[in-house]
Amino acid sequence: NAGVTQTPKFQVLKTGQSMTLQCAQDMNHEYMSWYRQDPGMGLRLIHYSVGAGITDQGEVPNGYNVSRSTTEDFPLRLLSAAPSQTSVYFCASSPLGQGVGTDTQYFGPGTRLTVL
Amino acid sequence: LAKTTQPISMDSYEGQEVNITCSHNNIATNDYITWYQQFPSQGPRFIIQGYKTKVTNEVASLFIPADRKSSTLSLPRVSLSDTAVYYCLVGDTAGAGSYQLTFGKGTKLSVIP
Repeated sequence: NAGVTQTPKFQVLKTGQSMTLQCAQDMNHEYMSWYRQDPGMGLRLIHYSVGAGITDQGEVPNGYNVSRSTTEDFPLRLLSAAPSQTSVYFCASSPLGQGVGTDTQYFGPGTRLTVL
Repeated sequence: LAKTTQPISMDSYEGQEVNITCSHNNIATNDYITWYQQFPSQGPRFIIQGYKTKVTNEVASLFIPADRKSSTLSLPRVSLSDTAVYYCLVGDTAGAGSYQLTFGKGTKLSVIP
């Protein structure tokens, strides 16, 4: 199994550009989420989804859009990149078994984004 | 979700046992305690989870006192490869109305040769 995959691994954008970070999982997990991690900080939740067609905001959703058209894919869109969005982005997935608080989260390898 | 407090960093020599304590004073009855490990340039990965008393697996042990207001992750005989950030999370089962996990800043463990 590939688990959780993310593309690209690295990306450099100019301020104002848009792009989509891709995330896919092959474990048939219902729950998927996006986090950002800044130096010296923990992971902060951006958006999450509990199933196809259902998304919701996390702690830091401003500047990001998501959609969930299939169980497997959960792309993160930056509509107009800003230097404050320079960060490492992690996608995670888990089954909705006992609950998000207890189900094991599986993380992707991350995308390192730099906005100039 | 209950808020957790952990030390920002810890140092240990190779071969020593390391104990990282997490405080979660507002833990609820249905909450479980989960620890994740994150190596540099990688996503976090699950280490261990428990509800009460002691849990042990091939990687670590988790000690939870009777009042469950804290928990201690124990790593036996650490090696350089255990250098990582360790996160303590508290969360409950489905139906609690929240699907958000809070990772916090974690504890950066540095193992010294």
